[in-house]
Amino acid sequence: DGGITQSPKYLFRKEGQNVTLSCEQNLNHDAMYWYRQDPGQGLRLIYYSQIVNDFQKGDIAEGYSVSREKKESFPLTVTSAQKNPTAFYLCASSIHLSGLAVNEQFFGPGTRLTVL
Amino acid sequence: GESVGLHLPTLSVQEGDNSIINCAYSNSASDYFIWYKQESGKGPQFIIDIRSNMDKRQGQRVTVLLNKTVKHLSLQIAATQPGDSAVYFCAERLFQGGATNKLIFGTGTLLAVQP
Repeated sequence: DGGITQSPKYLFRKEGQNVTLSCEQNLNHDAMYWYRQDPGQGLRLIYYSQIVNDFQKGDIAEGYSVSREKKESFPLTVTSAQKNPTAFYLCASSIHLSGLAVNEQFFGPGTRLTVL
Repeated sequence: GESVGLHLPTLSVQEGDNSIINCAYSNSASDYFIWYKQESGKGPQFIIDIRSNMDKRQGQRVTVLLNKTVKHLSLQIAATQPGDSAVYFCAERLFQGGATNKLIFGTGTLLAVQP
């Protein structure tokens, strides 16, 4: 089955620790995204990547880092610099990011991160 | 900044009735719109999309209407079922030319279907 997987589903972190959230897709999509979702708010873009070895900051990149060493994988690290990391994190992918072609983003099941 | 908003944060309907979820967008340069459904604890699921050169598009039990004059988007669900209970998001693509085309998401409307 094709799709996007995120792991773990639930993650607990102590203050001051870095933690990495996994996102894998087997859809052969070029573009991948990380969003943060908080209650009562829309999805906010953290980072996005158009192609392997390239990524750009989204609207709320501070305290986060990413890598895109493989087309299928786009892990997100929540660093200790992120002051309010407790949230639901969603990874998404789309065929392309750039150009006139429109294409929807497919989302993974999400990871709920709680800082203790 | 410009953002997508929703008129009604919560909508309660009876099973079998039709539902209408509304969304206002503020960016006239947006050229593509999507509706997503998100069930509790899960990721958003694509429902239907529409390009800005259209004013209506139909899917299975769902219809999206786009009114560019007033920058309004709506999702109509026919014969609403208990399984339709979820949060519904609209999103717009702001075409900025060049290399970046990102989605801007609304805050969501909770649809509660009463049996």
